[in-house]
Amino acid sequence: DTAVSQTPKYLVTQMGNDKSIKCEQNLGHDTMYWYKQDSKKFLKIMFSYNNKELIINETVPNRFSPKSPDKAHLNLHINSLELGDSAVYFCASSPGPSTTYEQYFGPGTRLTVT
Amino acid sequence: AQSVTQLDSQVPVFEEAPVELRCNYSSSVSVYLFWYVQYPNQGLQLLLKYLSGSTLVESINGFEAEFNKSQTSFHLRKPSVHISDTAEYFCAVSSAGGYNKLIFGAGTRLAVHP
Repeated sequence: DTAVSQTPKYLVTQMGNDKSIKCEQNLGHDTMYWYKQDSKKFLKIMFSYNNKELIINETVPNRFSPKSPDKAHLNLHINSLELGDSAVYFCASSPGPSTTYEQYFGPGTRLTVT
Repeated sequence: AQSVTQLDSQVPVFEEAPVELRCNYSSSVSVYLFWYVQYPNQGLQLLLKYLSGSTLVESINGFEAEFNKSQTSFHLRKPSVHISDTAEYFCAVSSAGGYNKLIFGAGTRLAVHP
């Protein structure tokens, strides 16, 4: 059973398009996250939701909009894609928002913008 | 603000040799410290963490890390590496008592050669 799953695994699209990445966790966790890993493997948190409520919102362009329809799902919608958005996007979840909890990561979505 | 510095971007080592991956952090508040491992084309997995108590923490697969507050370090060690340990290793820090916002280092690529 996959604990944290993401779709699609690969996404190739052109500049200016709008795309979405979906994330689902079946661990019963309350908290979910989106991270961006750039071409140099550097990982940076983008957003976090706890029980569908936004609790972490880093400085990302407002072209990125997370949506959490329920606590098992956290989707990422990106408008007007740019070349610099090319990266691997990881979803993660944890039992709660406390820093003592381990985060469980999905397999990643490799986004390529041409 | 917090930051993490991983001093080596790549560490080549022969199988069965010992290895140390270095990590230093900077923070004005108390922190929790983590090591995550990323195998090729996979998401991140928690290797070990320091929250409180004994400054020496161990993982189930033979890695250990020691929290040194005076040197603000959390170096990862293994006395004898295997080919299967080849992966990217990320050191991360979060504020004790805050939201689960991980700040990652740039990663160290451990390449184990036969």
